[in-house]
Amino acid sequence: QVQLVESGGGVVQRGGSLRLSCAASRFSFSNYAMHWVRQAPGKGLEWVAFIRDDGTTKSYADSVKGRFTISRDNSKNTLYLQMSSLRAEDTAVYYCAKTRATIAAAGPFDYWGQGTLTTVSS
Amino acid sequence: DIQMTQSPSSLSASLGDRVTITCRASQSISSYLNWYQQKPGKGPKLLIYAAYSLQSGVPSRFSGSGSGTDFTLTIRSLQPEDFATYYCQQSYSAPPTFGGGTKVEIK
Repeated sequence: QVQLVESGGGVVQRGGSLRLSCAASRFSFSNYAMHWVRQAPGKGLEWVAFIRDDGTTKSYADSVKGRFTISRDNSKNTLYLQMSSLRAEDTAVYYCAKTRATIAAAGPFDYWGQGTLTTVSS
Repeated sequence: DIQMTQSPSSLSASLGDRVTITCRASQSISSYLNWYQQKPGKGPKLLIYAAYSLQSGVPSRFSGSGSGTDFTLTIRSLQPEDFATYYCQQSYSAPPTFGGGTKVEIK
């Protein structure tokens, strides 16, 4: 069974930085596009960022563009999200999600992790 | 960006009931519509992709229909494990966007 395990969340001050990781296992990580999706407390799902299988194509939600960077290390089967200039509205559970294809820029997302909570304090 | 609107935002139902949730896109998305189930404290789970294709391992009481702008998720006979929040999502064009969710509660 596909496994995605996020880590790196925590409490950070407004304007600070944090790097999230997503360890992937039990599938060929290097063959699939990956995404980050977040969920503010008590709210719905919001897409954050996408990276294709080989890391050459990336895209971001307007709300995080210029502040967040998605990357991956296929040799370590790990996805990352570097977050900087954090704002209160970035407070959310961040999920990594696997797609069904190599370049699925819009999903669908067939497996999700359990999420990691990032809280931005003022 | 394509806007996705779900209705209702919540509903109460009894075990064995037939439940229908609708999702409307702000423009035609062909059949690029997916449905997810989320339980408290867990990541979402893919139920239906491409409007009506059942994800592997998902019970057959779940079904999807629709194309263009109007879509439906139906749960044929509600089971205890089905009480959760359901989201639709379009994968027609980037950025992917989600509906606001429908919380299915016990009556």
